[in-house]
Amino acid sequence: DTTVKQNPRYKLARVGKPVNLICSQTMNHDTMYWYQKKPNQAPKLLLFYYDKILNREADTFEKFQSSRPNNSFCSLYIGSAGLEYSAMYLCASSRDRVAEQFFGPGTRLTVL
Amino acid sequence: QQKVQQSPESLIVPEGGMASLNCTSSDRNVDYFWWYRQHSGKSPKMLMSIFSNGEKEEGRFTVHLNKASLHTSLHIRDSQPSDSALYLCAAPNDTNAYKVIFGKGTHLHVLP
Repeated sequence: DTTVKQNPRYKLARVGKPVNLICSQTMNHDTMYWYQKKPNQAPKLLLFYYDKILNREADTFEKFQSSRPNNSFCSLYIGSAGLEYSAMYLCASSRDRVAEQFFGPGTRLTVL
Repeated sequence: QQKVQQSPESLIVPEGGMASLNCTSSDRNVDYFWWYRQHSGKSPKMLMSIFSNGEKEEGRFTVHLNKASLHTSLHIRDSQPSDSALYLCAAPNDTNAYKVIFGKGTHLHVLP
């Protein structure tokens, strides 16, 4: 099974409210990624876990948090959503750094 | 900041024609690439990867890599309407190979 699952598929949030997105995979992949995708833009890497080690991008360091309670699950947490957070959020996992990434279906977040 | 540039942004080819897509990394240390395909409403899926200089063929798809020029290209012969999709090129980050940098993609439209 090469499925990566994401919940919820759609999320409506109010400005200033927290948002928590969930991702899971059963492929026993060491690495899990979160990307933000806006129309006509490249998928932007927000953070990734290699095993239990979290790597966050410098320009989004303070905006996004994450946890990985076990190998299969990874969350993306926004403490206070702003309008600019409206986007598709893609989770992906990979076996190692040169292997392909398997993407989930995405969560479309709309902040009002 | 490392960039992955793709061209053209959009490409229209007739059914049965040849589609050629280009990708270049700004980082001189990059020596392999991935190509992902994203159909409308779906998540990206890896199409091909290339790690060695030269050419790699899988069915109707051929990928070229020129490490000296940091350039890769994807060629689709006998294009089909089902090939219509967003094609994303990706390269590893120069300082952390677990990070993957994506380009904005090329929108391919194959007209029946």
